Amino acid sequence: NAGVTQTPKFRILKIGQSMTLQCTQDMNHNYMYWYRQDPGMGLKLIYYSVGAGITDKGEVPNGYNVSRSTTEDFPLRLELAAPSQTSVYFCASSSGTGGWKGYTFGSGTRLTVV
Amino acid sequence: AQRVTQPEKLLSVFKGAPVELKCNYSYSGSPELFWYVQYSRQRLQLLLRHISRESIKGFTADLNKGETSFHLKKPFAQEEDSAMYYCALQPQGGSEKLVFGKGTKLTVNP
Repeated sequence: NAGVTQTPKFRILKIGQSMTLQCTQDMNHNYMYWYRQDPGMGLKLIYYSVGAGITDKGEVPNGYNVSRSTTEDFPLRLELAAPSQTSVYFCASSSGTGGWKGYTFGSGTRLTVV
Repeated sequence: AQRVTQPEKLLSVFKGAPVELKCNYSYSGSPELFWYVQYSRQRLQLLLRHISRESIKGFTADLNKGETSFHLKKPFAQEEDSAMYYCALQPQGGSEKLVFGKGTKLTVNP
């Protein structure tokens, strides 16, 4: 049972480059989320999705895009990477069907933009 | 605005001592509150939530609406409790979004 899988684990980008952070869950969860965690700060919500085809902005969406074409996948796209996007990115999912048991988190992607 | 405040970045106690990790929140409605934990080299995971009133790994947390607090307590800390602890608030609504505090790093010394 893999849970939430994030790839890659580490990445160094140059300013202006683009990349996609992958997130896949195999628990048939309806809800998925992307958070970023800066040093000494809490997790801040970037984007979230309550089902395939439905996405919405979180607290810090600028510079990012998402899509949710399937229940399993929720990729996060960075266009024109900037040093301010240096962070650890976490993907999470939850069932969204009541009897909520909390988030299942991925292991994180550490991104450095130089 | 929704906000979660964890006033202590770092907390250090000795094994066997009581530990309390503080969490205060700001929210106009009736929130659901949670504690998440991240052990070294492991993923963030749910420790407990106020609605279930559980005790997990000896930890408890009581929601005090008057003081808008949700402090995490354990009477006798163990070395394996050393970790980052995050308090989180779920506002009312259907998306199950969470607002996280900045976290407290707990170190339990032998």
